[in-house]
Amino acid sequence: KAGVTQTPRYLIKTRGQQVTLSCSPISGHRSVSWYQQTPGQGLQFLFEYFSETQRNKGNFPGRFSGRQFSNSRSEMNVSTLELGDSALYLCASSLGPPNTEAFFGQGTRLTVV
Amino acid sequence: AQSVTQLDSQVPVFEEAPVELRCNYSSSVSVYLFWYVQYPNQGLQLLLKYLSGSTLVKGINGFEAEFNKSQTSFHLRKPSVHISDTAEYFCAVSVPTSGTYKYIFGTGTRLKVLA
Repeated sequence: KAGVTQTPRYLIKTRGQQVTLSCSPISGHRSVSWYQQTPGQGLQFLFEYFSETQRNKGNFPGRFSGRQFSNSRSEMNVSTLELGDSALYLCASSLGPPNTEAFFGQGTRLTVV
Repeated sequence: AQSVTQLDSQVPVFEEAPVELRCNYSSSVSVYLFWYVQYPNQGLQLLLKYLSGSTLVKGINGFEAEFNKSQTSFHLRKPSVHISDTAEYFCAVSVPTSGTYKYIFGTGTRLKVLA
């Protein structure tokens, strides 16, 4: 079956702009989580959606938002981009924690200049 | 608060030598434990997981990990590494929060296998 698909793979944006990242989960998976990965910080949890509802949220400013559609596809939006938002953004889908494997996409590499 | 600590940020090891990547977690409740591997420019892939039962868990690519509840550790081991094992390894726990569960990841250990 198809894996988790993230688009685009690479993105360059200017400070102050906004960006939308997309994630298509594995068919049948209703849980989608987003993570920010930066060198030295590891994976920082952004939020998790399950059946179109946000179930968990990490400690990120309100500039980071997301949503999930009825087909489980998810989008993440970052407004008023800052240089520090440059990172690899990873999406993971699963049947739903606690004991199920999270399947990760290849990520979107966002560079803010 | 729950947390995951990977004590080594980088581990260099010669090919065919054994390796241990250390992971400790902090949690007041029972957790589920995972090890993931990330190759360059890729997402994360599950190596193995501990849910319950035997404390020695075997995973893919010859890796295994041992759950030690008293030491709150879940160290990853491989008896003989290959060049292709060069990657970053993440330990994670699934913990209850706000009526559901979420994954908490460690900061990663970069394994460098030397010829």
